[in-house]
Amino acid sequence: AQSVTQPDIHITVSEGASLELRCNYSYGATPYLFWYVQSPGQGLQLLLKYFSGDTLVQGIKGFEAEFKRSQSSFNLRKPSVHWSDAAEYFCAVGARMGGSEKLVFGKGTKLTVNP
Amino acid sequence: DGGITQSPKYLFRKEGQNVTLSCEQNLNHDAMYWYRQDPGQGLRLIYYSQIVNDFQKGDIAEGYSVSREKKESFPLTVTSAQKNPTAFYLCASTDIKNRRSAYGYTFGSGTRLTVV
Repeated sequence: AQSVTQPDIHITVSEGASLELRCNYSYGATPYLFWYVQSPGQGLQLLLKYFSGDTLVQGIKGFEAEFKRSQSSFNLRKPSVHWSDAAEYFCAVGARMGGSEKLVFGKGTKLTVNP
Repeated sequence: DGGITQSPKYLFRKEGQNVTLSCEQNLNHDAMYWYRQDPGQGLRLIYYSQIVNDFQKGDIAEGYSVSREKKESFPLTVTSAQKNPTAFYLCASTDIKNRRSAYGYTFGSGTRLTVV
């Protein structure tokens, strides 16, 4: 069955430090992969997506992610974190289930940024 | 501007009451979804609809009901049968004309439901 694992429930980094959020997926075919960000009390905003081609994808707000098929991973990175990046981050895989395409989400990683 | 509007932002329910959460979109999207979000649980699919007058159960449909009488609207009713309804509810929509567009979810800003 399709699934997404985000091993880190909560990560704390200092402002200006680099960031990597981990995501592992389980999917039999070529995956479509996504990262979303959610600020408290808000909906989800798409950061970036991978469909095919270049395995390093650039997103909004200075984020990037790298698809590694051999590791079934799609980790999110940012070279220098800003206080405004504090939020919850969700990785998702697109899967065909029950005759329709659906997103399967991980349980999220909450990011705290220290000044 | 196009988008999804969820209302109300906060909702309080007494024990034994049914309450309805509104979700309206003006994106001309065919598919609409309802998710429930609890701390540490991620997003769990309640119901989804890909066409007017048709909808399908998701992973946690018990205690919920929906309707899709118009393309723009997909209201969710939390019934008294839902024993633990306190949660954050998110609505989303997407265009399903092809596989890539089908994953271009647009989310509303959510409704926080609390049982009092």
